[in-house]
Amino acid sequence: QIHLVQSGAEVRKPGASVKVSCKTSGYTFTTYSFAWVRQAPGQGLEWLGWVNTHNDNTNYEQSFQGRITMTTDTSANTAYLELKSLRSDDTAIYYCARKPSFWGATNFDYWGQGTLVIVSS
Amino acid sequence: QSALTQPASVSGSLGQSITISCIGTSSDIGIYNFVSWYQQHPGKAPKLLIYDVTERPSGVSNRFSGSKSGNTASLTISGLQAEDEADYYCNSYTGISTVLFGVGTKLTVL
Repeated sequence: QIHLVQSGAEVRKPGASVKVSCKTSGYTFTTYSFAWVRQAPGQGLEWLGWVNTHNDNTNYEQSFQGRITMTTDTSANTAYLELKSLRSDDTAIYYCARKPSFWGATNFDYWGQGTLVIVSS
Repeated sequence: QSALTQPASVSGSLGQSITISCIGTSSDIGIYNFVSWYQQHPGKAPKLLIYDVTERPSGVSNRFSGSKSGNTASLTISGLQAEDEADYYCNSYTGISTVLFGVGTKLTVL
C-alpha cells in the first residue's frame, strides 16, 4: 500500500521559517515527483510548486519565488518543503501529493494527511 | 495568475445528476488536456477523481465523468449519493510548468 505521511503541526512567529516533511512508502520513490499544495482556513487549494525526485528539478508558483524550497532525500524516501519569511497569511494546511514526473501531469494521485502551519506572534 | 472559475455551490437530489463547470482560458484548459478533478470531504485530504480531462483512476466510481469544450472543463456526477456531498476542485496545467486550481464548488445533496 502507498502511504504519504507528513510531519506534525507547527507554530511559528512572523519572519521565521518552517520545514515540512513527507515520508513515503509502498512504491519506488524516484519513479514519481511531488507537488505541494496548501489550503488556508476555509479557503480553496493553492498549488505551490513541484519537485522531480529523479533530477531534483523544481518549479515554483511565481509568488513564492525566493522564499520557498522543495527538496527530496531519496535515501529516506522523503520530500521536504521549506518556507521562509513567514507571514500570517501563510497559515494553512500544507499537503504533499504524488504526481507522475511527466511535465504536464496534474493528476496528484496520493496525498499526505496535511500539516497545519500556524503563523502568529 | 487567477484561479479557474467554478460555481460556488451546486445542489441536487439523491439519484439525480449534476454538472460542475471549470472555466479557464486559451492558455490553460483551452490548449491542454491536462485537467484533473478532486473531491474533498471536510477535514480530509483531496481525492483524485478524474485526470487528463476524461480518465478515471482505478477505484473511482464510474458515476464520475469528465469532459471539456473550449476553455471549459466539466465534471458530471450521476446517480447522486449522500456521500457525494463534498467540495470539488478542478486544476489545469498552464503551459509555463505551473498548475492552477479552481476556486472550488460545494456540492449539497438534498
